Amino acid sequence: NAGVTQTPKFRILKIGQSMTLQCTQDMNHNYMYWYRQDPGMGLKLIYYSVGAGITDKGEVPNGYNVSRSTTEDFPLRLELAAPSQTSVYFCASNPPGPMGSGEQYFGPGTRLTVT
Amino acid sequence: AQSVTQLGSHVSVSEGALVLLRCNYSSSVPPYLFWYVQYPNQGLQLLLKYTTGATLVKGINGFEAEFKKSETSFHLTKPSAHMSDAAEYFCAVSEPYNQGGKLIFGQGTELSVKP
Repeated sequence: NAGVTQTPKFRILKIGQSMTLQCTQDMNHNYMYWYRQDPGMGLKLIYYSVGAGITDKGEVPNGYNVSRSTTEDFPLRLELAAPSQTSVYFCASNPPGPMGSGEQYFGPGTRLTVT
Repeated sequence: AQSVTQLGSHVSVSEGALVLLRCNYSSSVPPYLFWYVQYPNQGLQLLLKYTTGATLVKGINGFEAEFKKSETSFHLTKPSAHMSDAAEYFCAVSEPYNQGGKLIFGQGTELSVKP
C-alpha cells in the first residue's frame, strides 16, 4: 500500500490564482481530512469527509472547497489564492468503524506559497 | 469543545538527558490521545496512542506517555535523548468517531538535542 499520497509537493501561486491539491489513499478508509499547518499554530482542520458524497467544514474552511466523489480521493480546491493561504497542507485518513483507535494516517504534505 | 495545550513551544535537552514534553487536554468524553512526531520537511508520524486500558503507553523510539485522568494530562517522556530525537512533537485528542473522528492538535513543541 502507498498509504496517503499528496500532489504536488511544492507550489508557488500568484494572488488570485486557483489550484487543486490532490489527495489519494489506498487503504479503503471512510474518513478523510485536510489540515493546514502554520508555524507555532499546530494543525488546523479545514474540511473533512466521512464517506463518498459527504463533506463538512472544519475550523478554518474559508477560501477552500472540497469534494469526495470516491472513497480514495479527497481533493482540496483554492479558488482565489491569498497570501494568508501560504501554509503546509496535510491530508489524512482514518480507518473505518466506530471501534477504531482514532489514529489518522498522514500524507507527506504540500507546501504552498502565495505571493 | 475539546482542546489541547502543550506547555513550551521549544524544549532543549542534552544528549542522554531525560525528555519531558507536557500535554494537557480538555474533553467531555473519555478521550483518545495521541503523540505525533514531525521531522523537518516531513509529514506526521504516530509515536504512540492511548485509547483504553493501561494508562502507561509505550511507543516507538523509546518514548512513552502516561494518561492521568485526574490531571487531564498525557505527558511524553524518554529516559535518554538521542540526537535523532530532534523534531517537532504534537499532542492531539480525537473527537468521537460519530462526530467525525477529528483530531484536535496542540500547538506543537520543538525539541532540540544538544551534543
